[in-house]
Amino acid sequence: EDQVTQSPEALRLQEGESSSLNCSYTVSGLRGLFWYRQDPGKGPEFLFTLYSAGEEKEKERLKATLTKKESFLHITAPKPEDSATYLCAVARGGGYNKLIFGAGTRLAVHP
Amino acid sequence: DTEVTQTPKHLVMGMTNKKSLKCEQHMGHRAMYWYKQKAKKPPELMFVYSYEKLSINESVPSRFSPECPNSSLLNLHLHALQPEDSALYLCASSPRDGGETQYFGPGTRLLVL
Repeated sequence: EDQVTQSPEALRLQEGESSSLNCSYTVSGLRGLFWYRQDPGKGPEFLFTLYSAGEEKEKERLKATLTKKESFLHITAPKPEDSATYLCAVARGGGYNKLIFGAGTRLAVHP
Repeated sequence: DTEVTQTPKHLVMGMTNKKSLKCEQHMGHRAMYWYKQKAKKPPELMFVYSYEKLSINESVPSRFSPECPNSSLLNLHLHALQPEDSALYLCASSPRDGGETQYFGPGTRLLVL
C-alpha cells in the first residue's frame, strides 16, 4: 500500500538553529516527490519537486534531498517567518495523477 | 507565473442552499483538481479533470458536483451540504496528469450551518 510518513509531527526551533524534516515513503514506481509549505488557512505553496534518488534542490534557507526510501528538508539558520506546516507528497507511476500526502510537520521558529 | 485563483475566499451557507466555488488558472495547464482539507490534516483529493474530462472521482457524495467549462476554469457546485462538509476547499492545477507538480490556489473557507 502506498504510504507517506513525516516526522517529527511538530518541531520547535530557536532562530538560527538548523534542523531537518523527514519524509519516508512507500510507493509503486515513484513519479515525483513534492514539498509544500502551508500557512494556516492558506493553500499549500510549492517548494520543490524531486524525481530521482540523489537529487538535491535548494531555495534560500531550504534544501531538499531524495533517496530511494526517504526525503529530507534541511532548514539552515531558520527565521521566525519559516514557521509553517511543511507537507510532503508523492506521485506514483503509471499515469496516476493522485498525490499521496504525509500528515505534515508543524514547524515553529522562535526569536 | 504559477497562480491559481479561487473565489470566494470565504463562504457561509445553510444546508438547503446551493452555491458554487470557482477556480481559474492561465498557465495553460490541462489537469485541474479539487481537494478538501480539514484542520490539521493534509489535503484529500476529491476530483481530477484531465483535458476537461473528469478522470478521477474519489467517491465523493453527489451533493458535490464538479464542472470544467473550459481548460482554464473549474467549478464546484454545492447543494444540500452537511455541517461536516465545512472545510478549506483547494483547487490545484498541473501541466498534465502524469505526476507533474501541482500548484494550489489560496482556497475557499466553507462553513455550513
